[in-house]
Amino acid sequence: AQKVTQAQTEISVVEKEDVTLDCVYETRDTTYYLFWYKQPPSGELVFLIRRNSFDEQNEISGRYSWNFQKSTSSFNFTITASQVVDSAVYFCALSEDSMNTGFQKLVFGTGTRLLVSP
Amino acid sequence: GAVVSQHPSRVICKSGTSVKIECRSLDFQATTMFWYRQFPKQSLMLMATSNEGSKATYEQGVEKDKFLINHASLTLSTLTVTSAHPEDSSFYICSATPGRGISYEQYFGPGTRLTVT
Repeated sequence: AQKVTQAQTEISVVEKEDVTLDCVYETRDTTYYLFWYKQPPSGELVFLIRRNSFDEQNEISGRYSWNFQKSTSSFNFTITASQVVDSAVYFCALSEDSMNTGFQKLVFGTGTRLLVSP
Repeated sequence: GAVVSQHPSRVICKSGTSVKIECRSLDFQATTMFWYRQFPKQSLMLMATSNEGSKATYEQGVEKDKFLINHASLTLSTLTVTSAHPEDSSFYICSATPGRGISYEQYFGPGTRLTVT
């Protein structure tokens, strides 16, 4: 069964520090997608990245970067030079075809709460 | 990106009453819509998957008679929490996708915070 593990429940850093959020996943499929979402206190999910299982290239977007390693089933997220506005809960998620519905199923990790203090 | 709206954003209802939450895809046709529930400080859990014009498929442990889902058109799905109780208080989030398989992205609504008193 698919599973996403975010072992870090909460991380506290001081502004301008770099921080890495870990994500480890389990899946039976060879084709799947991995995601990161940000959930600020307002509750609305903010999409950050979507990665196909066949694309292991690392990605950088501004202060954000992602490291996808199939060998260790990990999809880690790094924020460089963190800012107070980065404070939020971050969810890693995995999408694969559901045996129950035949449709895609998105499974979320338990989330990591990031607190960035000035 | 595609836009999904939810209405209402917040609702307070009395125990024993029913409440309906709407999820709309504003700029695309949503073949499939999903409903998630998120308890405070917890993760999002998929409740059900719905297809336009057919019955929703519920995840294990979700009572289909309590959480009625109607996907009446390609742009609208509704979730009705029947005979709500305080333990149903939660953040309900819908998402929509224009296709069936995993290659199609899910677009999330802003969520509805339900409080049952």
